[in-house]
Formats: sequence, structure tokens, C-alpha cells
Amino acid sequence: EAQVTQNPRYLITVTGKKLTVTCSQNMNHEYMSWYRQDPGLGLRQIYYSMNVEVTDKGDVPEGYKVSRKEKRNFPLILESPSPNQTSLYFCASSLRDYDTDTQYFGPGTRLTVL
Amino acid sequence: GQNIDQPTEMTATEGAIVQINCTYQTSGFNGLFWYQQHAGEAPTFLSYNVLDGLEEKGRFSSFLSRSKGYSYLLLKELQMKDSASYLCAVRPDTGNQFYFGTGTSLTVIP
Repeated sequence: EAQVTQNPRYLITVTGKKLTVTCSQNMNHEYMSWYRQDPGLGLRQIYYSMNVEVTDKGDVPEGYKVSRKEKRNFPLILESPSPNQTSLYFCASSLRDYDTDTQYFGPGTRLTVL
Repeated sequence: GQNIDQPTEMTATEGAIVQINCTYQTSGFNGLFWYQQHAGEAPTFLSYNVLDGLEEKGRFSSFLSRSKGYSYLLLKELQMKDSASYLCAVRPDTGNQFYFGTGTSLTVIP
């Protein structure tokens, strides 16, 4: 089944404790992206990757890191989480077909930073 | 900066037609997308417009006017399961980033 998976789905942590949220897709998509979704602010893009070893900042990259060592995986790293990073996070991938460029979203990770 | 506006909430009756508007001001334009998001779930793709005009897909249609920076999503024969948030997203001409509106929460009532 074609899908984007994220782990963990729920995480409660404390300020300053490094964490990684994993994202994996099995559709051989070149493009992958991370978003955060907050009430009243909608989905905002954190980082995106056009292909292996190619990553770039989105609209809200501060406090986050990413890596793309393999095509299927795109982990999101919070080196020193802070309470303002409490949010719902979505990973997405797409084929980069300019005719449609449909993004497929993972199920989301709800992060709480205390 | 990028600015995408949608109404926050809408209510419509089962069986009726509803139109959800989206206006945008972005640095260039390379496609507009509509996504549906049910509460607690991930967004799922509904439609894509890059040229002016209407794209029809079953009960859902989407319209784009690039000169006006305007799009709408039209939902016909509303069903209770259409109660969800509808997200408008724009890809500026750089082609690599996406900007989403804050979403329109649609409630379908019997």
C-alpha cells in the first residue's frame, strides 16, 4: 500500500531534550516536506527536500533540522525543543510531476513540549 | 510575503451546494491546490488548478482566475461526510514551496 508513515504519532517531552520524528514513504517520491499545523495559523512549511542530499528551508525553519540521506526517509530533528514547538506535525511527499504535484501526507505527529 | 485568505467557517445543508472561496497574493504563481482534512486526520488532495477555468471531479469542482488571484471550491449534493476543513494552498513560481491558507471548516447539517 502506497503510504507515508511517521513515528511517533504522539510524543510528550521536556524542554531541551533532543528528539527525532521519522518520516518514510514507499512511493519513490523525490520531494518530501515537513509542515506544522497550529490553530488559526494553518499548515506552515518547515523544510523541504527536492531529492537525496538536497534540502531547503520553508517558512518556519527556526529550531528544526532535517536530513535526506536516503530517498525514502526524511527525519525531522529538534535539537533543543521549546514549548513553542508544541504542534501537530505532518510529513508529505510528492512525485514532482508538474501536471499535478499532489502531496501525500503522513498521519501526523502530535508533539507536546513541557 | 505570501497571503492566502479563506473564510474560517461555513455551514450548509445536506443535499445543497456550497462554494468555498480562496484569495491569494503571492510572489508568482505556479498552481493552486485544494485539500480536505477531516478532524484528527491528515489532509488529502482534492483538486489542482494552474490555468484559468473550472476543473470538475465528480461532486467537487474548482475554479481559478489568475488575474484576480481567486479560486473557489464547489461542492455539490452535500453529504454529512463532507463536514471537514478545506485547505487552499498555492505554489509560487519558485515551484518548491507551498503556502496554505488557514482552512475553512465546513459543517453539513441535516
